[in-house]
Amino acid sequence: EIVLTQSPATLSLSPGERATLSCRASQSVSSYLAWYQQKPGQAPRLLIYDASNRATGIPARFSGSGSGTDFTLTISSLEPEDFAVYYCQQRSNWPLLTFGQGTRLEIK
Amino acid sequence: QVQLQESGPGLVKPSGTLSLTCAVSGGSISSSNWWSWVRQPPGKGLEWIGEIYHSGSTNYNPSLKSRVTISVDKSKNQFSLKLSSVTAADTAVYYCASRQVEYCSSTSCYTEDSGRWFDPWGQGTLVTVSS
Repeated sequence: EIVLTQSPATLSLSPGERATLSCRASQSVSSYLAWYQQKPGQAPRLLIYDASNRATGIPARFSGSGSGTDFTLTISSLEPEDFAVYYCQQRSNWPLLTFGQGTRLEIK
Repeated sequence: QVQLQESGPGLVKPSGTLSLTCAVSGGSISSSNWWSWVRQPPGKGLEWIGEIYHSGSTNYNPSLKSRVTISVDKSKNQFSLKLSSVTAADTAVYYCASRQVEYCSSTSCYTEDSGRWFDPWGQGTLVTVSS
């Protein structure tokens, strides 16, 4: 099983600041990594797929980078609606799909 | 575009069987998608349970495989989840989601038999295991 470890567990920032979230895989997942955003009481939403491609309708302030075992989600300038929990997910090891434990992005 | 809606009992007794259905609208269950179940215990992260293709082919999380059955009903355009021998640890919000097998970029179309990413998702349904 590929384990995804996200850091930090919680990130406290202010609107307008830059957010950098990390996801590390226990073995290479190539570029088979996605990022999801989840707000309270809502289902997760696909943000980034194939490590660096924005999903339909996702603002340009969201970007993804990395390959192999180390990945980063960057939010260039935080908007109030960006404070949420973010999960990474791999499909390199299909048919076993796994998620990271999540990073909570909270308002400072 | 495809929309998903979960339904089923919100309360299940310990040792019983959890049964949920996901209705697919705006598209056919026989389209090229893996149809998945994901769960989230209160205050915790996401766990993939398993998936089914319209052909009946299934994949399950090994940690749950002995208790899970996912099936498809083409006549009703829906798929279902059964989880047996439930305990309090199975209390969670259960989501259905789909993963495309065929997709198109701006220039070309592709097929990935392993499926792509979870999109879209249903709104989720809370199932509590309690006597």
